[in-house]
Amino acid sequence: QQPVQSPQAVILREGEDAVINCSSSKALYSVHWYRQKHGEAPVFLMILLKGGEQKGHEKISASFNEKKQQSSLYLTASQLSYSGTYFCGTERDDYKLSFGAGTTVTVRA
Amino acid sequence: GAVVSQHPSRVICKSGTSVKIECRSLDFQATTMFWYRQFPKQSLMLMATSNEGSKATYEQGVEKDKFLINHASLTLSTLTVTSAHPEDSSFYICSAGGQRTDTQYFGPGTRLTVL
Repeated sequence: QQPVQSPQAVILREGEDAVINCSSSKALYSVHWYRQKHGEAPVFLMILLKGGEQKGHEKISASFNEKKQQSSLYLTASQLSYSGTYFCGTERDDYKLSFGAGTTVTVRA
Repeated sequence: GAVVSQHPSRVICKSGTSVKIECRSLDFQATTMFWYRQFPKQSLMLMATSNEGSKATYEQGVEKDKFLINHASLTLSTLTVTSAHPEDSSFYICSAGGQRTDTQYFGPGTRLTVL
């Protein structure tokens, strides 16, 4: 039931954009996005609920397509602080979260 | 957002000893807390769900007798790694919240190294 994230890693220059995808083999009720810096715990970014809504956090936004059973995270005009590993979490049948393998983002000056 | 603390942040112990990790929700009450384990460059793997006032629920493959969980109050859950071995070395993270659409807030994590 683990969601699939792509790409595994991405390298950006400051100011560039990137998209991280999270796909599930089962119907999704919600998708949770987190960012983790090296050696630290994950930090909550946003939750998306079914209905195709889009949310934003600074210059990071996300969409949720329940028909395609996927969510995408958009990093716009990336900053150095955006570096880290991004995880999506999807609900299992018992409502607990199952996390993807993560996407490592490196933003260079 | 809600604040979750963990103690200790780092621990080094000898093989065969037991280590206790505390997880506290500082500004809210958490009837449910989660314990995760993370190996380097890997994802978060749920180990168990800690329920206040009742027994913890363990994921398949996680040894209950090795990873003892106690959720004594609405703000404190503890994970005790008993008779630790080098293969138990990992980053242990707790979280609180996460009821359906609720946000799950993570503690800062505990780096366990077993020599």
